Amino acid sequence: DTGVSQNPRHKITKRGQNVTFRCDPISEHNRLYWYRQTLGQGPEFLTYFQNEAQLEKSRLLSDRFSAERPKGSFSTLEIQRTEQGDSAMYLCASSSTLGQGPGYTFGSGTRLTVV
Amino acid sequence: QKEVEQDPGPLSVPEGAIVSLNCTYSNSAFQYFMWYRQYSRKGPELLMYTYSSGNKEDGRFTAQVDKSSKYISLFIRDSQPSDSATYLCAMERDYKLSFGAGTTVTVRA
Repeated sequence: DTGVSQNPRHKITKRGQNVTFRCDPISEHNRLYWYRQTLGQGPEFLTYFQNEAQLEKSRLLSDRFSAERPKGSFSTLEIQRTEQGDSAMYLCASSSTLGQGPGYTFGSGTRLTVV
Repeated sequence: QKEVEQDPGPLSVPEGAIVSLNCTYSNSAFQYFMWYRQYSRKGPELLMYTYSSGNKEDGRFTAQVDKSSKYISLFIRDSQPSDSATYLCAMERDYKLSFGAGTTVTVRA
């Protein structure tokens, strides 16, 4: 297993366009999380899934954002009608409900630039 | 006011020095306390975690938690240039992590 994989690594888009990011978690992890990190700040929680169920969404996740995890494996995060304020690093993490301790593993992120 | 406060630095130390990092928090419901290391353009990498007050050691790293003061620290002994990175404290509640802003550390050879 190569860890949490995120694609693309970098996305440049024009304001108003839609973008979609993909996350492939560690295969045996049943929880998957999305975070957003802006320059000079720590990551901020957006949403998380347990298997295919989306259990919580942050107030940061406006109506333009939607996340799915259709078969409890990979996940996609879509941003519609992108705005310059959406420019950030989007991080995916996964963990397992088994075992002890907070075993979160992060991917390398997708860096979004909205021009 | 943010739930987790961390001095962003930057912090520059000579090789071999002890690096001292700390965070304060306001929410007593946090259950786990973590330190992550993040290199430029990479995702955070978990260094250490603890859930109780006290010290935890792992090699050159020591994490301290004082729940009564809502204060956590990370110490890096015998720092190396390869330790140069941004260090993020993070705290977990209900499967959500709240991060500090991160402290950028440079270890000078």
